[in-house]
Amino acid sequence: GAGVSQSPRYKVTKRGQDVALRCDPISGHVSLYWYRQALGQGPEFLTYFNYEAQQDKSGLPNDRFSAERPEGSISTLTIQRTEQRDSAMYRCASGTNRFTYNEQFFGPGTRLTVL
Amino acid sequence: ELKVEQNPLFLSMQEGKNYTIYCNYSTTSDRLYWYRQDPGKSLESLFVLLSNGAVKQEGRLMASLDTKARLSTLHITAAVHDLSATYFCAVDMWGERSGGGADGLTFGKGTHLIIQP
Repeated sequence: GAGVSQSPRYKVTKRGQDVALRCDPISGHVSLYWYRQALGQGPEFLTYFNYEAQQDKSGLPNDRFSAERPEGSISTLTIQRTEQRDSAMYRCASGTNRFTYNEQFFGPGTRLTVL
Repeated sequence: ELKVEQNPLFLSMQEGKNYTIYCNYSTTSDRLYWYRQDPGKSLESLFVLLSNGAVKQEGRLMASLDTKARLSTLHITAAVHDLSATYFCAVDMWGERSGGGADGLTFGKGTHLIIQP
């Protein structure tokens, strides 16, 4: 079956511009997560949703970052007034949110470069 | 703050050898995950460990969890070149951060494994 998809796969933008990154989770997965991965590092948690509810946004670096999942499926991570330090790979993951474990399946990521 | 530490961070080994990657974490948790990442690719789920003493095996890889020691290991038996990748462990802070439900994972920095023919 289809896995997690993300678009665009690559995004180059100029400092100060807004960007929107899209995530389409595995069909039927309740939970959706956003991570940021710097080169040579592990993914860093940003935020997550159960259905359309944003349950935890403690990992968002500052108020320029926001995320939504209005219909409980596709999610958008928006970065306003981008800065060079925002350059990274942004990964989305989805999971079934089973109460016994939390296996997450990752998408291919969006490589963001801020010039 | 939850910390997850892996060692070694870099490992070069020859085919046919055995080795172990260690993952230590700083808080009580009985849910630990191992992922594999190939260069330029996404993360692939390898193992889900859900209780103290859990052991999972897939081919030449075996993962175990000791929640009392806050330690997980990933053992490689008779390594082959195809196992070259970066391996991440991750800990689930189930409910402790947001007050309920599934939380995000906290990852280690990864172990970059090179297996030479």
